[in-house]
Amino acid sequence: GNSVTQMEGPVTLSEEAFLTINCTYTATGYPSLFWYVQYPGEGLQLLLKATKADDKGSNKGFEATYRKETTSFHLEKGSVQVSDSAVYFCALSDPMDSNYQLIWGAGTKLIIKP
Amino acid sequence: SAVISQKPSRDICQRGTSLTIQCQVDSQVTMMFWYRQQPGQSLTLIATANQGSEATYESGFVIDKFPISRPNLTFSTLTVSNMSPEDSSIYLCSVGASGVSGANVLTFGAGSRLTVL
Repeated sequence: GNSVTQMEGPVTLSEEAFLTINCTYTATGYPSLFWYVQYPGEGLQLLLKATKADDKGSNKGFEATYRKETTSFHLEKGSVQVSDSAVYFCALSDPMDSNYQLIWGAGTKLIIKP
Repeated sequence: SAVISQKPSRDICQRGTSLTIQCQVDSQVTMMFWYRQQPGQSLTLIATANQGSEATYESGFVIDKFPISRPNLTFSTLTVSNMSPEDSSIYLCSVGASGVSGANVLTFGAGSRLTVL
């Protein structure tokens, strides 16, 4: 079945450091891939998405590229800020699924120190 | 994208009581979803609520414990019945929207954080 594997957290970085949060997936067909972010005390927000191989999703300085050959969708940011501290979830969906079912990763907590 | 209002945002409840969480959407949507997020965990889908029909529950969740109402296309409620400390979680309401690219995107409410003593 479909699954998503994320690197375990917490990930602790200093401000302005380079960020990578790894995400790999197992799926049949051609899933859509997402990164959601959950800031402290809040619900989840869509950060970025990609719907086909080699697509790059980007938002707020974050990027992730849909790599079908390595079944990966790693999240990157060149220079993190304290305000990026949050939990990041990788997820996938089958675009043929009209029920909006997402397969979620376990989440990676990111802590940015000033 | 849709704007979702959930309430209460948080509550502390006594064992054995029930609590109803409300979810209001600023536009009409066909499908609404209820998720549970246990402390430090990822999201688990509880059920899908379609207007005019009974909710569809995921494995491990039953209607007697988590009754859901969906009276119209902009509103839903989730009740957590006969609560125990194991029900302490964040409960999230979400709705789906088809993106321009065809990806099915979920929008979430801010969540309701329940603590059961």
